[in-house]
Amino acid sequence: AQSVAQPEDQVNVAEGNPLTVKCTYSVSGNPYLFWYVQYPNRGLQFLLKYITGDNLVKGSYGFEAEFNKSQTSFHLKKPSALVSDSALYFCAVRDRGYSTLTFGKGTMLLVSP
Amino acid sequence: DTGVSQNPRHKITKRGQNVTFRCDPISEHNRLYWYRQTLGQGPEFLTYFQNEAQLEKSRLLSDRFSAERPKGSFSTLEIQRTEQGDSAMYLCASSLLGESNQPQHFGDGTRLSIL
Repeated sequence: AQSVAQPEDQVNVAEGNPLTVKCTYSVSGNPYLFWYVQYPNRGLQFLLKYITGDNLVKGSYGFEAEFNKSQTSFHLKKPSALVSDSALYFCAVRDRGYSTLTFGKGTMLLVSP
Repeated sequence: DTGVSQNPRHKITKRGQNVTFRCDPISEHNRLYWYRQTLGQGPEFLTYFQNEAQLEKSRLLSDRFSAERPKGSFSTLEIQRTEQGDSAMYLCASSLLGESNQPQHFGDGTRLSIL
């Protein structure tokens, strides 16, 4: 079985400050990990993925994520938040033995001016 | 690359009616997925196709739900005898088989409201 936990329903940060959105996962094997962003009344937009290799993954719009195998975490980060980053963020995992993604419940990011 | 297209964007119907949604994936993508998303939740997997073959179905997909991808291109999701609990956003995604790490690309979804 595979599962994802996003422990924060909402994250608030001021524009220009660094942001972190947390994600932990559970799989029986080795994971593929993804972050997606969703704007109101839209589908999910792919941000970045971890497959193998470097633990720090860089993605779209200045976002990055750090894979930590010992803590089974894949936290999303950005050095300097923008108001336009305000959206719903989803972490997803796929065990390499499976074909389907399992998503977390999502974290609402609110960036204040 | 025109992206994944879903129609209609919104559907309002009375309980007990049948509804059908359509998804047009990115043209070269051979995998197509259906998800359901309710308020405050992440997308939940329903089913997926590789070309025209339906390879996996979630236990969420009751016998009132049926999905097809007849020619390995567009797909339809039909819900028969709709119930209040079917109200949700139905998302379609597609990806390219060949490298197992390909991300899924999502459409903007069909929002279903049951009166």
